[in-house]
Amino acid sequence: GAVVSQHPSWVICKSGTSVKIECRSLDFQATTMFWYRQFPKQSLMLMATSNEGSKATYEQGVEKDKFLINHASLTLSTLTVTSAHPEDSSFYICSARDLGTGPWELFFGSGTQLSVL
Amino acid sequence: AQSVTQLGSHVSVSEGALVLLRCNYSSSVPPYLFWYVQYPNQGLQLLLKYTTGATLVKGINGFEAEFKKSETSFHLTKPSAHMSDAAEYFCAVSDYYGGATNKLIFGTGTLLAVQP
Repeated sequence: GAVVSQHPSWVICKSGTSVKIECRSLDFQATTMFWYRQFPKQSLMLMATSNEGSKATYEQGVEKDKFLINHASLTLSTLTVTSAHPEDSSFYICSARDLGTGPWELFFGSGTQLSVL
Repeated sequence: AQSVTQLGSHVSVSEGALVLLRCNYSSSVPPYLFWYVQYPNQGLQLLLKYTTGATLVKGINGFEAEFKKSETSFHLTKPSAHMSDAAEYFCAVSDYYGGATNKLIFGTGTLLAVQP
C-alpha cells in the first residue's frame, strides 16, 4: 500500500519554542492531507485538512495561528506548533489518501510524540 | 453529523477465544465504515473497510466485520485471538460521497488485551 512518512517520530522542546512536523507521501501524490491529534488513551481528533496550494481548513476549536499548516507540494505537508506549551504535548498523526487506490482509504504516518517541557 | 460509538474501552480475552469489538455509527448518508488497528507509538493500519456491496467484510489478520444497516452497527470479530492481536482498535466512519477531502471520524477506541 501507499506509504506516508512522518518526521520526527519524537521531539522534546522547551515551552515557548516552535516545532515543525513533516508529513510526506512517498509513492503517491496527495492533494489533501489530514492532521490528527491523539491524547493518551483517547481517540484521534481531526485538527485540520491540509490542501495543496491553498489554506488549510481547521476544525472548530483548533487555533489556526497556533497550529500552522503548510502544504506547499503534492507530497509534503508540515504542521508547526508555534510557541508550544505543555498542554500542546500530544501525539500528532498525519494521513493522506492515495486516490489511485480509491478515495476512501486513508494511509497514516507513524506519528510524532511531542513533549513540551 | 456523523459519529461513532465503540462500546467497551477495554476488552480482555484469552488466547484462542473469540474476539468481538463493538461499533455503532450514526450517519445521515450511506456510510463508509472502517476498522483500524494501532500498536503503541505507531500510526494506524487499516484492518478492513465497508464501502458498498457485500455486508460481511474480511480483512487482514483473520478479522472480519459485518455491516448491519438496521442496527447501525459494524462489529469487528475474529474467531481465535492471538497474542499479537493485543492493540488499540478504532472504528471510523466517512460519508458516502467519497473524495480526497472526505473526513474520517473515529470512535474512542477499544484496547484489546489477550491473556495467555
